[in-house]
Amino acid sequence: EAQVTQNPRYLITVTGKKLTVTCSQNMNHEYMSWYRQDPGLGLRQIYYSMNVEVTDKGDVPEGYKVSRKEKRNFPLILESPSPNQTSLYFCASSLGAVSEQYFGPGTRLTVT
Amino acid sequence: EDQVTQSPEALRLQEGESSSLNCSYTVSGLRGLFWYRQDPGKGPEFLFTLYSAGEEKEKERLKATLTKKESFLHITAPKPEDSATYLCAVQVGNYGQNFVFGPGTRLSVLP
Repeated sequence: EAQVTQNPRYLITVTGKKLTVTCSQNMNHEYMSWYRQDPGLGLRQIYYSMNVEVTDKGDVPEGYKVSRKEKRNFPLILESPSPNQTSLYFCASSLGAVSEQYFGPGTRLTVT
Repeated sequence: EDQVTQSPEALRLQEGESSSLNCSYTVSGLRGLFWYRQDPGKGPEFLFTLYSAGEEKEKERLKATLTKKESFLHITAPKPEDSATYLCAVQVGNYGQNFVFGPGTRLSVLP
């Protein structure tokens, strides 16, 4: 089954404790993105990747890091999480630059 | 600054009562406009892509249209299973994959 998977689905952590949210797709897609979704603000793009080792900033990259060492994986790293990064995070992938995106199920992160 | 707004914020319809959702955008260069459906607790699900003014696409009870400044999602004779949040997104920039999403319209269809 074609899908985007994210782990963990739920995470509660404390300020400053480094964490990684994994994202994997099995569709051989070139493009992958990370978004956060907050009430009243909608989905905002954090980072995207056009291919292995090629990444670029979205609208809200501060406090986040990404890497793309393999085509299927695109982890999101929070080196020193803060409470304002409490949010619902989605990973997405697409075949081409101007193609529909396939979204993962989401990761709900709470930073206390 | 690239901006996307959606109206109304929420909409309640009776089953069979047709209506339209609006997505207005102000962007420097539109590469594509996308409609997604999002059910509670799930990731968005793709519906349509529109690339140029005048383009229309249909799928079951949904029809999307695009002008130079806005897009409409028309829902004909909706059913309760059409209840969801509908998101509009624009792809901008000359290269890469920058997306700007609107805040969404929360649709409830009552039986």
